[in-house]
Formats: sequence, structure tokens, C-alpha cells
Amino acid sequence: NAGVTQTPKFRILKIGQSMTLQCTQDMNHNYMYWYRQDPGMGLKLIYYSVGAGITDKGEVPNGYNVSRSTTEDFPLRLELAAPSQTSVYFCASSYPGGNRGDTQYFGPGTRLTVL
Amino acid sequence: GQQLNQSPQSMFIQEGEDVSMNCTSSSIFNTWLWYKQDPGEGPVLLIALYKAGELTSNGRLTAQFGITRKDSFLNISASIPSDVGIYFCAGRTGANSKLTFGKGITLSVRP
Repeated sequence: NAGVTQTPKFRILKIGQSMTLQCTQDMNHNYMYWYRQDPGMGLKLIYYSVGAGITDKGEVPNGYNVSRSTTEDFPLRLELAAPSQTSVYFCASSYPGGNRGDTQYFGPGTRLTVL
Repeated sequence: GQQLNQSPQSMFIQEGEDVSMNCTSSSIFNTWLWYKQDPGEGPVLLIALYKAGELTSNGRLTAQFGITRKDSFLNISASIPSDVGIYFCAGRTGANSKLTFGKGITLSVRP
């Protein structure tokens, strides 16, 4: 199993540009998550999904959109990139919530810079 | 919302030393977790704790779920260079609640 894969690994955007961060998992996990990590600030939940066709906002959803058309894929969309969105983005997946859901499997991250 | 407090932000130790780090909250958590993030990678779960007072080990790592349910501790014994990384505590307040992460402690190990 490849686990959770994310593309691209690095990206530089200009203010106002848009892009989609890709995330795919091959573990048949129902739950998927998008986090952003800023230096010294830990992980903040952007959006999450409990299954195909179901998404919900996390702690910091503004400026982002998601979709979940399949179990495997959970892309994150930035429509109008802003410097405040410069961060490292992690996708994660897990079994349904509760104790099994505590083991979240993280991808390697996408480092995004908005200039 | 709930917050998990980890301090200091960075710790520097000598190889072979033991190190302790804690995580505190003003809210009660029903689950405490410790994750480690290696440089350039995503976090990986180290230990999960589900009962107040629970003490769990994973190799040289030992974690405890505080009796008050408002804190947790992680101890690393006989540190080695590969212990370098960021250690996050995380917690859940209920069965269906989302994880809250602390800000992390960056551990450096001098050979």
C-alpha cells in the first residue's frame, strides 16, 4: 500500500491564482482530513470528510473548498490564493471516528508559498 | 474551542538523556494521543491513551493519561539521534469529536 499520497510536494503561487492540492489514499478509509501547519502553531483542521459525498468545515475553512466524489480522493481547492495561505498542507485519513479514528495516517505534505 | 498547551516550543538534550514533555488543557479530554513528526514528513501516532491514570509504553517511550483528564505526559528514555522531530499531543473531548492538536515541541538531540 502506498498509504496517503499528496501532490505536488512544493508549489509557489502568485496572489489571486488558484490551485488544487491532490490527496489520495489506498487504505479504504472512510474519513479524510485536510490540515495546515504553520511554524510553531501545530495542526489546524481545514476540512474533513466522513465518506464520499460528505464534507464538513473544520477550524479554519475560509479560503478553501473541498469535494469527495470517491472514497480514495479528497482534493483541496484554493480559489484566490493569499499570502496568509502560505503553509504546509497535510492530508490524512483514518477509519471511522472513535478509538480507531485516532490513528490518522498522514501524507508527506505540500509546501505552498503565496507571493 | 479547546486548546492543548505544550511548552517549551523547543528542547535540546544530549544523546542518552531522558526527556519529559507534558501537555495541558483547561478542558477535560477523554482521549490523549502523542504523535511524532520527523523532518519533512507527516505526523505518526506513537501512543494512544483512553483511561484516566493509564500508563502506556511503546519501546523507550512512555505516556500517561493524567488523573484529572486535563493533562498528559510523554517520557523518552535514553534518547538517540533519531528521536529528533516535533512531538505533538492531541486529544478528543468525546467519541465523535475531532482531534485537537497542541502546537508541538521540537526536540533536538546532540550526539
